[in-house]
Amino acid sequence: DTGVSQDPRHKITKRGQNVTFRCDPISEHNRLYWYRQTLGQGPEFLTYFQNEAQLEKSRLLSDRFSAERPKGSFSTLEIQRTEQGDSAMYLCASSSRDRGTDTQYFGPGTRLTVL
Amino acid sequence: DAKTTQPNSMESNEEEPVHLPCNHSTISGTDYIHWYRQLPSQGPEYVIHGLTSNVNNRMASLAIAEDRKSSTLILHRATLRDAAVYYCILRDPRDDKIIFGKGTRLHILP
Repeated sequence: DTGVSQDPRHKITKRGQNVTFRCDPISEHNRLYWYRQTLGQGPEFLTYFQNEAQLEKSRLLSDRFSAERPKGSFSTLEIQRTEQGDSAMYLCASSSRDRGTDTQYFGPGTRLTVL
Repeated sequence: DAKTTQPNSMESNEEEPVHLPCNHSTISGTDYIHWYRQLPSQGPEYVIHGLTSNVNNRMASLAIAEDRKSSTLILHRATLRDAAVYYCILRDPRDDKIIFGKGTRLHILP
């Protein structure tokens, strides 16, 4: 069990650029979640997948955001035409629903700064 | 979503027990009480969870009031590495996402 990994750990971009983040979940986990966290706040849910199916999306996930999980393994979160308000920590978590309690294991996050 | 109320911050001395309170007066019968914590510059990590009975694990203990309207996370012997934001969360097993509040920022004094 190598844990949830995220890449990159930090990203600085200019307003209007597109960015893509990657999350590699714990290998046997079938659920994958994306959260966003701004300074001083708890993480906010964005979306989640069970295997390759995207089952729920928050209204926080505007049209500029898209997430995929091809083949039910790693996931990508893309933000198009970034805005300064997108600056935040983007957290990925995975879990195995088959294990009842659905404890979510979080990665270290990708910190996005939009200039 | 059922909500929880936690103090914004708490302080404790190193090597002493810490009791982190959480109020959840609107808890429903199916809600589990979960605690996560977030160390500086890291993602949240699971600490413990329970439904009705008190729970113990290697990290902490969870004491749940008889009416389930409040609970307390107990760190038996705090170390500097326990300085973190602690989140008390109610989770309905039918709901997959976690709804985080602002949590309690725990400061440990050497």
